[in-house]
Amino acid sequence: NAGVTQTPKFQVLKTGQSMTLQCAQDMNHEYMSWYRQDPGMGLRLIHYSVGAGITDQGEVPNGYNVSRSTTEDFPLRLLSAAPSQTSVYFCASSYSRADTQYFGPGTRLTVL
Amino acid sequence: AQKITQTQPGMFVQEKEAVTLDCTYDTSDPSYGLFWYKQPSSGEMIFLIYQGSYDQQNATEGRYSLNFQKARKSANLVISASQLGDSAMYFCAMREAPGAAGNKLTFGGGTRVLVKP
Repeated sequence: NAGVTQTPKFQVLKTGQSMTLQCAQDMNHEYMSWYRQDPGMGLRLIHYSVGAGITDQGEVPNGYNVSRSTTEDFPLRLLSAAPSQTSVYFCASSYSRADTQYFGPGTRLTVL
Repeated sequence: AQKITQTQPGMFVQEKEAVTLDCTYDTSDPSYGLFWYKQPSSGEMIFLIYQGSYDQQNATEGRYSLNFQKARKSANLVISASQLGDSAMYFCAMREAPGAAGNKLTFGGGTRVLVKP
């Protein structure tokens, strides 16, 4: 098992550009989520999904879109990047909504 | 109001000694879970230990144990026999009512631990 994988590891964008952060897991986990970590802080939930075709907003969803067309993949889309979205982004998954979440290695995003 | 509070921004510990990392939480939900994650300088988030609100015994995982004091709403992490590789940021996190908002974790601000040889 590769676990939770994220691509890219690093990305630099200009304000207004769009991009998609990729997240995949090969553990047949139902639950997947995206968090962001700002310097010196804990993680905050952006969006989550409890299964294919079902997504919902977390604590800080503005500026981000998600979809879940398959169990394995949960991409995060930034439609028009802003400097405030400079952060480290983590994807996580768990077997169910009541299980321990396991995190991917993270994507470090800088928006200039 | 903060739901997870870690009051120690940073601490030093001597190699082979034990260290306790403080975590207090706030919830009115009777069913919740408490987690500790380790974040080394490489950046990944590593799950360490879990305690459920209804668990009667304190959780243990190898050198990690969780001192769960429900009445005080505290869930302190104890690392025994510290090793140089334990130098990292440690986050306490809480999950409330799994059915309501998926598996949302609320994180504390973290404690940085540096192990001295």
